[in-house]
Order: sequence, then C-alpha cells, then structure tokens
Amino acid sequence: GAGVSQSPSNKVTEKGKDVELRCDPISGHTALYWYRQSLGQGLEFLIYFQGNSAPDKSGLPSDRFSAERTGGSVSTLTIQRTQQEDSAVYLCASSRTASGNTIYFGEGSWLTVV
Amino acid sequence: GQQVMQIPQYQHVQEGEDFTTYCNSSTTLSNIQWYKQRPGGHPVFLIQLVKSGEVKKQKRLTFQFGEAKKNSSLHITATQTTDVGTYFCARSNDYKLSFGAGTTVTVRA
Repeated sequence: GAGVSQSPSNKVTEKGKDVELRCDPISGHTALYWYRQSLGQGLEFLIYFQGNSAPDKSGLPSDRFSAERTGGSVSTLTIQRTQQEDSAVYLCASSRTASGNTIYFGEGSWLTVV
Repeated sequence: GQQVMQIPQYQHVQEGEDFTTYCNSSTTLSNIQWYKQRPGGHPVFLIQLVKSGEVKKQKRLTFQFGEAKKNSSLHITATQTTDVGTYFCARSNDYKLSFGAGTTVTVRA
C-alpha cells in the first residue's frame, strides 16, 4: 500500500479483556517497529522485526504483550488482560531496511482501557 | 539506555518570531533524525543528519549536527501557525530509533 496501515484506528476495551492491533507495513519494507505513545509523552520502543531474524522484544513492558509478524509482512500486537495503564496510542512503523533508514509511521491505534 | 535529551520541553512562540530547539546526547551519535508530529497526528520524518557539522535547510527550518556529533539543533525562522506540533529528535543505534521526549511548539497569532 501507499503507507503504513493500522487497524483499528480506535479501540475502547474493558479492563481484563484481550486486544489485537494490526499493522500492514509499506510494501517492500523489511523492517517493522511497534512504538507506544502515552498522552503527551514521547515514543516508547516496544518491538522490532527484520526479515526472518529473531525479533527484538526488549521494549515490551510485560509478558501480557506479544507480537507476531507473519510472512514478513503484516504484524499483530496482542495485549492480554488489558490494564488502564495500557491506554495509549500504539504506533507501527516500517522502513526499507534497518541501520539508520527513515521509518514511516502509521496513523496509530488509539487504545482506551476502561 | 542511551537517550537523547531535548530542550526546551515546551516552546511558546509569537507568530513571525524565530526559535531554536536542541537535542543533546552524552555519547557520540552515528546520525540524528528529526520528526514532526502535528496534534492528533503521527510522527513524520523531516530530515537525517550524518556528518559532523552538517547543516541542512528546508525552507524556514535549519537543522544542524554538532562538530562532536553529540548534539543537534532545529531552528525555525518566521514561525507560522503551521509549525505547531511536537518536534522529536531520534538517535539511531543500529536499527533501533530512540526518541527524545520532544519539544512541543505552540504559536500565538
């Protein structure tokens, strides 16, 4: 596609429920990132995928968070047993390769846990 | 971790005036990238600086990379209402981009 596509754009969920957030990167981009941005805050790195390499999961805040990338393209970020502190914008980004390349962000998925 | 610090956190500017925002690191940077995020929007890439002392201009925006490659600045001249938003610098550590906390700019008409 023309840009990074994320869905849903907005999600309101009850505390304790699981949520799945989807990211479709720019076609041909091998690197995919998930970042989290809480209201008025900076961008917090969550996870990175590059080709068939093992992902860098060092930014995931707890074991309730997991992510997959199927076929080197679409990625899903799953949050289990959501908590109110999980409320944030989850931003997906992709780049052509790694190592200093420009990354292109999607519009984000706004998650609200009530 | 290796962070970049941005100052100021907030910048209130009179329309037409100039201002500068800074990005500082305690360690040498291989490169520095700048992004702009409009209110309610997502970060959009502005520029990447790689060389020591590099200066790049985009219309009213001037980006500079320090000689020691430990700091960078963004200078905006004749600020307009379209400049409103948060400006982030980001350091690249191999593949991972680590973002500063950003400078949020508001403009008084």
